[in-house]
Amino acid sequence: DSGVTQTPKHLITATGQRVTLRCSPRSGDLSVYWYQQSLDQGLQFLIHYYNGEERAKGNILERFSAQQFPDLHSELNLSSLELGDSALYFCASSDGLSWNTIYFGEGSWLTVV
Amino acid sequence: EDKVVQSPLSLVVHEGDTVTLNCSYEVTNFRSLLWYKQEKKAPTFLFMLTSSGIEKKSGRLSSILDKKELFSILNITATQTGDSAVYLCATLYGGATNKLIFGTGTLLAVQP
Repeated sequence: DSGVTQTPKHLITATGQRVTLRCSPRSGDLSVYWYQQSLDQGLQFLIHYYNGEERAKGNILERFSAQQFPDLHSELNLSSLELGDSALYFCASSDGLSWNTIYFGEGSWLTVV
Repeated sequence: EDKVVQSPLSLVVHEGDTVTLNCSYEVTNFRSLLWYKQEKKAPTFLFMLTSSGIEKKSGRLSSILDKKELFSILNITATQTGDSAVYLCATLYGGATNKLIFGTGTLLAVQP
């Protein structure tokens, strides 16, 4: 158990819809990262938040957005979903701005039908 | 075409997790949006929302309506196995006569 909690574990939704994925970082961690892993691609970095502020953006689509709240939990919002958005979405946390030591949650499986 | 669409279709969580259920609508002459919980019987009423931006709360459940973006969310915190159900969103609309249209529902399964 990494201490990073993600919910829900699985969800199925139709194309065009929106979903919200949640992440609670390890206690004391200020950084939260979101990654997407689909069947045909490796782990792709989406976005990084540190203490409530966006720090880095990766391959995050405009249809996706994220935020980190004052209690440091984070949400990833996916809208206008497409079949290709079906993937495992990981959240990870670390105690600072370093990308070297991060702990991953178990992921949220999203299936778009 | 008047319609109410809910997402996700289904989700599985563990007890204690927080979930967000979505409901979007396209209707003429919108009046109110309603949330219901359906287990193995008739749906039971949860919330009725008429004004935008005002959160309704009942214990661990809360809901809010956005009339500009035409959607509502239902939040359930600290989920329990007893929260496992189909959650239905419905829109009350119409001019001279009230009409109620339901979404297809979101199946929530809360595992112990």
